[in-house]
Amino acid sequence: GESVGLHLPTLSVQEGDNSIINCAYSNSASDYFIWYKQESGKGPQFIIDIRSNMDKRQGQRVTVLLNKTVKHLSLQIAATQPGDSAVYFCAENIGTGFQKLVFGTGTRLLVSP
Amino acid sequence: DAGVTQSPTHLIKTRGQQVTLRCSPKSGHDTVSWYQQALGQGPQFIFQYYEEEERQRGNFPDRFSGHQFPNYSSELNVNALLLGDSALYLCASSPGPRAEAFFGQGTRLTVV
Repeated sequence: GESVGLHLPTLSVQEGDNSIINCAYSNSASDYFIWYKQESGKGPQFIIDIRSNMDKRQGQRVTVLLNKTVKHLSLQIAATQPGDSAVYFCAENIGTGFQKLVFGTGTRLLVSP
Repeated sequence: DAGVTQSPTHLIKTRGQQVTLRCSPKSGHDTVSWYQQALGQGPQFIFQYYEEEERQRGNFPDRFSGHQFPNYSSELNVNALLLGDSALYLCASSPGPRAEAFFGQGTRLTVV
């Protein structure tokens, strides 16, 4: 499955840098993808989503890119801030008719002041 | 406007016992999904409820069951608890079965 164990991949950046977090998804039929941010002791928080008929979507300081050819998603965070430090998960919807999210390998983002 | 609320926040149970976790969806949301998140891992889908019926189910045994009430709130029941059931249980609600899901803070279940 998508579980990663206790040692999450970690991305360390300096405040003000741009961050890029990558994710490989498994199902070529997935039609909807979401990035979530999870801070310690909290539930996942929605960041941005994208449907499979798009390859790019922008939000406030965040951009999601979707490459269906290689089943790859990325999350770009501009001008990263210490408050962005968290674990980031991508999720794909593999449900038909109803939503069934499969979460990818989480990435821990550490932002240094 | 309250978001997704779950109760209790923490719970300790003994192996073999049964547990019920509760979820109130965000206002205006009629669909509830439950996820299990083991320490250091991503959430894993348990099941989704819409119109008071289970609509989708993940790879979880029948010991895991649920219910959705007419007011859209939901319960997750786990019977015959195992040590491996220790996890953060997350509820997510959405305004429809294929819409954006909002997560609650979760219930931390510890089985001893």
